[in-house]
Amino acid sequence: ESVGLHLPTLSVQEGDNSIINCAYSNSASDYFIWYKQESGKGPQFIIDIRSNMDKRQGQRVTVLLNKTVKHLSLQIAATQPGDSAVYFCAETPISSGSARQLTFGSGTQLTVLP
Amino acid sequence: EPEVTQTPSHQVTQMGQEVILRCVPISNHLYFYWYRQILGQKVEFLVSFYNNEISEKSEIFDDQFSVERPDGSNFTLKIRSTKLEDSAMYFCASSGGLPRAKNIQYFGAGTRLSVL
Repeated sequence: ESVGLHLPTLSVQEGDNSIINCAYSNSASDYFIWYKQESGKGPQFIIDIRSNMDKRQGQRVTVLLNKTVKHLSLQIAATQPGDSAVYFCAETPISSGSARQLTFGSGTQLTVLP
Repeated sequence: EPEVTQTPSHQVTQMGQEVILRCVPISNHLYFYWYRQILGQKVEFLVSFYNNEISEKSEIFDDQFSVERPDGSNFTLKIRSTKLEDSAMYFCASSGGLPRAKNIQYFGAGTRLSVL
């Protein structure tokens, strides 16, 4: 099973909205997280969503989940230069007990143009 | 804001040598993880740890790897005899005890391991 992304790179103008897509194949996936990784740093949590939800909003970010086609997207409103980074989706089956691994996608490089 | 701390930031070693990568997870977290990222590739799961024992491990985590929580604050990854292909960025992560908090893993800045 794997988690994959549609595009390896995305360039947007500052102030525009960004949409980053992710497809997953594991039907048992219960829980999805978007991470942002800046150069030389570790993945930074952005937003999460459980499989019993279709949409979740945070500050300037929205995650949409379409379980029918096993697709999720990250929308960033009014993209800023500080948003330039690699964005990963990750998935895990929710467990009641042990610590579960995250399976990461291959990442999309977002570049914000001035 | 609490954060996961990893040391050293960069470790250079000779092939066949043992290395220990150190991590201080967020203080009230209960679940601990190691991941690695080979340059330009995906972040890959190595091992998870809870209640002083390994919960899950990937096929990458073979007998050359071990993890330990020697005291109440540190979490270490040991590679007994490093190979060239072990060169990667190693990330430590931790997550909390409550249902949603357990699934949100917070990552450190990583240790870049270079095996020569």
